[in-house]
Amino acid sequence: EVQLVESGGGLVKPGGSLRLSCAASGFTFSNAWMSWVRQAPGKGLEWVGRIKSKTDGGTTDYAAPVKGRFTISRDDSKNTLYLQMNSLKTEDTAVYYCTTDVYTATDYYMDVWGKGTTVTVSS
Amino acid sequence: DIQMTQSPSSLSASVGDRVTITCRASQSISSYLNWYQQKPGKAPKLLIYAASSLQSGVPSRFSGSGSGTDFTLTISSLQPEDFATYYCQQSYSTPPWVTFGPGTKVDIK
Repeated sequence: EVQLVESGGGLVKPGGSLRLSCAASGFTFSNAWMSWVRQAPGKGLEWVGRIKSKTDGGTTDYAAPVKGRFTISRDDSKNTLYLQMNSLKTEDTAVYYCTTDVYTATDYYMDVWGKGTTVTVSS
Repeated sequence: DIQMTQSPSSLSASVGDRVTITCRASQSISSYLNWYQQKPGKAPKLLIYAASSLQSGVPSRFSGSGSGTDFTLTISSLQPEDFATYYCQQSYSTPPWVTFGPGTKVDIK
């Protein structure tokens, strides 16, 4: 069974940093493209960014609101995805989900979702 | 950037009703359109990909249609477990690669 378990959320002050982790199991993590998606309290879903598999280049893409502040990385030896969040703002307060992604010639979507971890940015 | 809208933003329906939710893109996105269901306090779940393909394990009462700019998600006979918020998502534009619609909340009449 595919399983994604996020951790590392918590309370942080504006301007601070936090690193989220996503432990993956039940599939070949090294072959997977992975994303982070967030949801602010009472709001909709917002894609944060993704990382491709190393065989597909291992490159990352980010949404405009987080570009330059957030970094996605992966450790295939540990089957773990990371989200390093720097220069945090109050508007980064959200539940953060990691996802496995499916990419085809005609589509790109989030297949399996973790349960999420909550990040609160407040003074 | 491509903007996604959904209508209605919320609706009330009864068990057994046929429910249709519309998602519109600000420009053509071919069939790069997916649908998710989210229940309160839970992670989203993929229902439909590539506009009309049913994800494995999803009941056949869910269906998707459309291409270009206009898409629909239909629940043929609403069940108690279907009360949730539904999001569309496009993956045509690069960047930002992935954009979600604002969501449609389906609750009990």
